[in-house]
Amino acid sequence: AQRVTQPEKLLSVFKGAPVELKCNYSYSGSPELFWYVQYSRQRLQLLLRHISRESIKGFTADLNKGETSFHLKKPFAQEEDSAMYYCALSFQGAQKLVFGQGTRLTINP
Amino acid sequence: KAGVTQTPRYLIKTRGQQVTLSCSPISGHRSVSWYQQTPGQGLQFLFEYFSETQRNKGNFPGRFSGRQFSNSRSEMNVSTLELGDSALYLCASSLGPQGSEPQHFGDGTRLSIL
Repeated sequence: AQRVTQPEKLLSVFKGAPVELKCNYSYSGSPELFWYVQYSRQRLQLLLRHISRESIKGFTADLNKGETSFHLKKPFAQEEDSAMYYCALSFQGAQKLVFGQGTRLTINP
Repeated sequence: KAGVTQTPRYLIKTRGQQVTLSCSPISGHRSVSWYQQTPGQGLQFLFEYFSETQRNKGNFPGRFSGRQFSNSRSEMNVSTLELGDSALYLCASSLGPQGSEPQHFGDGTRLSIL
C-alpha cells in the first residue's frame, strides 16, 4: 500500500539555521508529491509540489526516486516558518492524497 | 475569490445519530475531496468527487457516504455515529480531477460524538 513517512514529529531549530524536514514514500509507480503547511489558526495550504520545481518562501524540495524521498529544505529558517508540515502523495492520476503524520517545526529566536 | 467553505464549523451529536456536513468549493473548482483528521490516525482520505461522480473512496465503512451536486457543492453523511467518528472533517477542492492539481482546503467541521 502507498505510504508516506515523516520520521520527525517535532523539529526545533534556531532562526537563521538550515532546516530539513524529511519525507519518505512507498509507491512503485510515479507519484505526485506535495508539501502542505498549516500555520497557527490557519487552514491547511499547499506549500509546494514537485512538478513545479519552484521555491516557495525559500523552501525547496527535490524528488529522489532512487531513495523514494521528497525532503523539504530551507537554508535559513525564519520565525514565521514555525508551523505543522505535511508531506503528501497522490498516485494513478487521482485526487486522493496520502498524508504523512506531519512534522511540527518550531523556529527559536 | 472565496475559499472553500464548510458548514457547520462545529457539531455535537450522540451515538447512533446521523450527520450531514456541507462543503462549497472555490468557484470554478469541480473536484471535491473529503478527509478525516484525528490525533491518532492523522489525515485520512474519505472520498473524491468530480462531475457528480465518486471517483475514489477510502477505507471507511459504508456508514460514511457522500455526494456532489451539479454546482460542485458536496455533502458527506455519516450514519449510526460511533464515538470513534469524533474528528475534524476537511473538504478540499481543485480545478480538476488530475492528481497533479493542488487541493485547497477548508477550515473543517469538528464533529464531537457524546
